[in-house]
Amino acid sequence: LAKTTQPISMDSYEGQEVNITCSHNNIATNDYITWYQQFPSQGPRFIIQGYKTKVTNEVASLFIPADRKSSTLSLPRVSLSDTAVYYCLVDSNYQLIWGAGTKLIIKP
Amino acid sequence: NAGVTQTPKFQVLKTGQSMTLQCAQDMNHNSMYWYRQDPGMGLRLIYYSASEGTTDKGEVPNGYNVSRLNKREFSLRLESAAPSQTSVYFCASSEDPQYSGYTFGSGTRLTVV
Repeated sequence: LAKTTQPISMDSYEGQEVNITCSHNNIATNDYITWYQQFPSQGPRFIIQGYKTKVTNEVASLFIPADRKSSTLSLPRVSLSDTAVYYCLVDSNYQLIWGAGTKLIIKP
Repeated sequence: NAGVTQTPKFQVLKTGQSMTLQCAQDMNHNSMYWYRQDPGMGLRLIYYSASEGTTDKGEVPNGYNVSRLNKREFSLRLESAAPSQTSVYFCASSEDPQYSGYTFGSGTRLTVV
């Protein structure tokens, strides 16, 4: 099974682009990668999901290189409300491998 | 609002007591899940139900039982609570996680003393 590793914490400033990288060295061919956002006292909220190359939606982009051993969540022009914990998840046919989460703090 | 509803939001138990955590979803999802979240450890899967009538163990099933009562409801039972089960418990549901991910409830904070 893949093991996911992501930084424990990151700081940035309002208006900046933030990139959070997750490594998943043993990812299997059919596994896909999902990122979630979690605020205190709430459940995780789906952000974006991908299998390879680049995926973009209204809130984020997800970059996955050809070897799929890592993925990068990109948040454009962050605001104070983006302060949260971000989780990387590798879904391997119901074997769900969650990262420990990256606490992102956005400063004014 | 559509989503996943968990009850109760908070609970304190004494060691050895039993309780059931309730979860219901109104999105007509086939699959439902129970997770626990401990500081610094992310989320760990306790049990899941891929469809009505089926349940399977996740990563940390010991000390727990589940019931998929119908398509909407999936309950988690602690028969004899232990301090190690102090945690925040999340229920989630999905239709096809490969395309739409999981929808989580707001959690139950359980303390076992």
